[in-house]
Amino acid sequence: KQEVTQIPAALSVPEGENLVLNCSFTDSAIYNLQWFRQDPGKGLTSLLLIQSSQREQTSGRLNASLDKSSGRSTLYIAASQPGDSATYLCAAHGTGRRALTFGSGTRLQVQP
Amino acid sequence: DGGITQSPKYLFRKEGQNVTLSCEQNLNHDAMYWYRQDPGQGLRLIYYSQIVNDFQKGDIAEGYSVSREKKESFPLTVTSAQKNPTAFYLCASSDRSDIEQFFGPGTRLTVL
Repeated sequence: KQEVTQIPAALSVPEGENLVLNCSFTDSAIYNLQWFRQDPGKGLTSLLLIQSSQREQTSGRLNASLDKSSGRSTLYIAASQPGDSATYLCAAHGTGRRALTFGSGTRLQVQP
Repeated sequence: DGGITQSPKYLFRKEGQNVTLSCEQNLNHDAMYWYRQDPGQGLRLIYYSQIVNDFQKGDIAEGYSVSREKKESFPLTVTSAQKNPTAFYLCASSDRSDIEQFFGPGTRLTVL
């Protein structure tokens, strides 16, 4: 059974810092890995999707990498801003079941 | 505007009652999903449907039921058999079951 872990659970940084959020998964047989942002009390916003054949995806200040062999993905946020404050969730889409398995998230606070 | 709508935003249930959460999408997606989120945790899969008139149990299906009579609708019923239903419920859809999922705004259910 796929398990997804995110470290750290919470992170507080000053504005302008570059930061890395970590995600690990136990079963490397995945279709893709998706990163989401969740604001308090809201639904999920898809940030980046990395297909199993890809190594990374970029969108603006965000870059996500995928290393299937080691069961790891990272989300890199450049030049963080207070508006980036939210919970970031990663989710692995396994080949054995047609839905996502989520990590518990990293709660990010960017201090102005 | 294309998207996923969930209603109501807030729902209160008395002990012993069944309640139904609505999820509608106009994205013409084949696959739809229901997830449950508890405070400080990731999402857990309740049910998913890859096509009309077909659905499968997820990890925590006990006490829940679904139907998929129309492509655009996937309602979730929380029955009295669900012992701890207070949670945030999120509906999602995808064009195929192995690619990017998009989420609705969620319904917060509270048992009185």
